[in-house]
Amino acid sequence: GAGVSQSPSNKVTEKGKDVELRCDPISGHTALYWYRQSLGQGLEFLIYFQGNSAPDKSGLPSDRFSAERTGGSVSTLTIQRTQQEDSAVYLCASSSRTSGSFTDTQYFGPGTRLTVL
Amino acid sequence: AQTVTQSQPEMSVQEAETVTLSCTYDTSESDYYLFWYKQPPSRQMILVIRQEAYKQQNATENRFSVNFQKAAKSFSLKISDSQLGDAAMYFCAPIGGMRFGAGTRLTVKP
Repeated sequence: GAGVSQSPSNKVTEKGKDVELRCDPISGHTALYWYRQSLGQGLEFLIYFQGNSAPDKSGLPSDRFSAERTGGSVSTLTIQRTQQEDSAVYLCASSSRTSGSFTDTQYFGPGTRLTVL
Repeated sequence: AQTVTQSQPEMSVQEAETVTLSCTYDTSESDYYLFWYKQPPSRQMILVIRQEAYKQQNATENRFSVNFQKAAKSFSLKISDSQLGDAAMYFCAPIGGMRFGAGTRLTVKP
């Protein structure tokens, strides 16, 4: 594919509702990452996929957050019972990362801006 | 634990001048790459430059270069001949990505 795509670009929801954020990585990229960026802040690592498995999900802030990846491609980040502090930009990235390597460049999507009212 | 520190929340540079953004980190890994990313107001993260930790020679990409001191775990970014389009947030990810610094907001004055 041309690049990493994310949908929706913006999402406004009410506190307590569930939301799903989607990421389409670059075709052929085996690794996929989710980050959260609060207003004016740096990137907070959430979870990393290698293929369909998640060797590192240490960054998920609570059990309200979950993610899955199917077919080694599309990934969905789900936030249940959203809270106002979940408001942020959620960025997805992909790379051709080989398991156990720290060498691959990540290519980022444009992000989804989530606003919880 | 792997930590990344960007000690300069904001920096300002005059157009055509040179500016250096600092980044320090801590890791027990031995084989890794180091990255600087740029995030303009459009929010799109763009790779600026990357460095292989096993290489002693500092990476250079046009006006961008790094000063990598492996023993000191320091990885600074130098921007020469600054341009208005360089204004952005700059993030270092010195441990193969996944762990990013808090960012430095660079302003370029005409």
